[in-house]
Amino acid sequence: DARVTQTPRHKVTEMGQEVTMRCQPILGHNTVFWYRQTMMQGLELLAYFRNRAPLDDSGMPKDRFSAEMPDATLATLKIQPSEPRDSAVYFCASGLRENNEQFFGPGTRLTVL
Amino acid sequence: AQTVTQSQPEMSVQEAETVTLSCTYDTSESDYYLFWYKQPPSRQMILVIRQEAYKQQNATENRFSVNFQKAAKSFSLKISDSQLGDAAMYFCAYRSRRAGYGKLTFGQGTILTVHP
Repeated sequence: DARVTQTPRHKVTEMGQEVTMRCQPILGHNTVFWYRQTMMQGLELLAYFRNRAPLDDSGMPKDRFSAEMPDATLATLKIQPSEPRDSAVYFCASGLRENNEQFFGPGTRLTVL
Repeated sequence: AQTVTQSQPEMSVQEAETVTLSCTYDTSESDYYLFWYKQPPSRQMILVIRQEAYKQQNATENRFSVNFQKAAKSFSLKISDSQLGDAAMYFCAYRSRRAGYGKLTFGQGTILTVHP
């Protein structure tokens, strides 16, 4: 049963700490997306990769956020330093091609104190 | 930029009855996709139904169907024979068909409550 996996599922940290979230896309999928869900902003795109190359990271605060795909089986989203306003659920999604369905992971709930 | 609007923050329905969730969107493109996603309390995002803009026929998936009005830029979801398991947050989403523009743009969501 192929699915997107995300670790950790929950993370509580203190302001100023580095946070790394990981995503394993479905094997063979060549597009990977990072979305953030908050009560105020809803669901919004942070970053988008195709064949491991970043296509759109316009939704990501560049000064503290970074997204990478070290290889086809791993996508990472880092926040350094973290701030309380970064508290949210972060979803990773992958797709076989751009025009195909995006499959979502279970999300990482991040709380920054 | 595309925008998606869900004007109903909350809706409720009796079990076995029918409910319709509304969604409107704004775009200058002619070719795109529209989706409805379900998010239960587990937070998992589940695709409910998908519509290609070039198709005039409304999509249907079992008890779920859409009313796609391209000229009006309206995309409503009808849930027939509602079940307790349908209770969730529902998101309408837009995606361009242009290469390099594969991101989903979501509405603010509608919380659906199903009463037994």
